[in-house]
Order: sequence, then structure tokens, then C-alpha cells
Amino acid sequence: KAGVTQTPRYLIKTRGQQVTLSCSPISGHRSVSWYQQTPGQGLQFLFEYFSETQRNKGNFPGRFSGRQFSNSRSEMNVSTLELGDSALYLCASSPLRNSYEQYFGPGTRLTVT
Amino acid sequence: GQQVMQIPQYQHVQEGEDFTTYCNSSTTLSNIQWYKQRPGGHPVFLIQLVKSGEVKKQKRLTFQFGEAKKNSSLHITATQTTDVGTYFCAGSDVYNTDKLIFGTGTRLQVFP
Repeated sequence: KAGVTQTPRYLIKTRGQQVTLSCSPISGHRSVSWYQQTPGQGLQFLFEYFSETQRNKGNFPGRFSGRQFSNSRSEMNVSTLELGDSALYLCASSPLRNSYEQYFGPGTRLTVT
Repeated sequence: GQQVMQIPQYQHVQEGEDFTTYCNSSTTLSNIQWYKQRPGGHPVFLIQLVKSGEVKKQKRLTFQFGEAKKNSSLHITATQTTDVGTYFCAGSDVYNTDKLIFGTGTRLQVFP
């Protein structure tokens, strides 16, 4: 089975721009979660999508949004980028819900200048 | 809100020494999971514990879930250089089982 894939792997943006990250879960997995990882804050939960519906949301501003398509693929969008948004964004899929074992993708390294 | 802390934050050991990381939650957990992230890599699922007092072993790794289901530990016997990485615990609150909260992580460095 193919693993979780994320595109792009690396991204450089400037402040004020917006960005869209993509995640394709493992085939058959219906839950997709997004995490932000920074050296100072560790792994922070952004949100979880299950069957195209956002089921849980972390403590991030409204600039962070996402969606899930009928094929379980998910996108995450960050608008009006700030320097502090520079991080590794990880997507994880799970066969059931977020509380079950997570299979992580390689991540997208976002740098905001 | 729920917080999951891990200690120590960093640990440097000589190859062959044992290593333990502790995970403490501010709330009672329905389950605890452990992940390993190698440098430059992504977290990889290691194991899940569900029962109070549960102990599971994977070769040199021993995982424990506390009796009160608020803490957990990961012990590595006779570390090897391949054990290098950051170990994260993650759990979901018994009253909000849909949300997984990751611990702060313990970075392990093993010197040959």
C-alpha cells in the first residue's frame, strides 16, 4: 500500500501571500489530520477531516483552513502568511478517527520570508 | 485544556546504556500512543496502549500505561545508534476521544 503523500515537499513564500498544501492519505483511510511542527512548539494539532467534514480543530487562527474531498484527499490553506507560519506541516491519515494510530506523510516544509 | 508533557526534553546516552522517557497528561486518557521521529523524518507509529496498567514490549522497547491512565513511559534497554530520534507520546482525553494530543517529545541522542 502506498503511504501518505504530501505536495509540495518544500515551499518558500513571502509575508502576506497565501499557500495551499495537499495531502493524499493511504487508500481506504477516511480520517486526515494536519499538524504544524516547529522546534519551539512541537507537534500542534491543526484540524481533522473525516468523510469531508471537519471534526476537530486546534487552537489556530482562522487564517488556517482546510477541506477534504470525496476521495479523502485533503488540502490545507493558510492565508495572509506571517513569518511565524514557517514550519513543517504534517498530514496524517488514519483508518478510523484521529484518536487512532496516525500514519504520517513526509511533510511540507514552508518557509515564509 | 488537555496538556501532555514529556520528560526529559533531551537525553544523551552512551551506546549500550538504558533510556526512559516519561509522559504525563493533565487529564485521564482513553489510550496512549507512542511515535518515533528520526532526524529529518516524520513521526512513525510505534504502539498503542489501552488498558490501565498495560505493559507491552517490542524487542528492546518496553511501554507502560499507568494505573490511573494519566501517565506512560517508554524504556529502551541497551540503546543503539539506530534509536536516535525524538519520541512522542500522544493521547486522547476520555471525554473527547476524537482528538489526539501529542506530548512535547523527548529527543534521544546516542553516542557510539
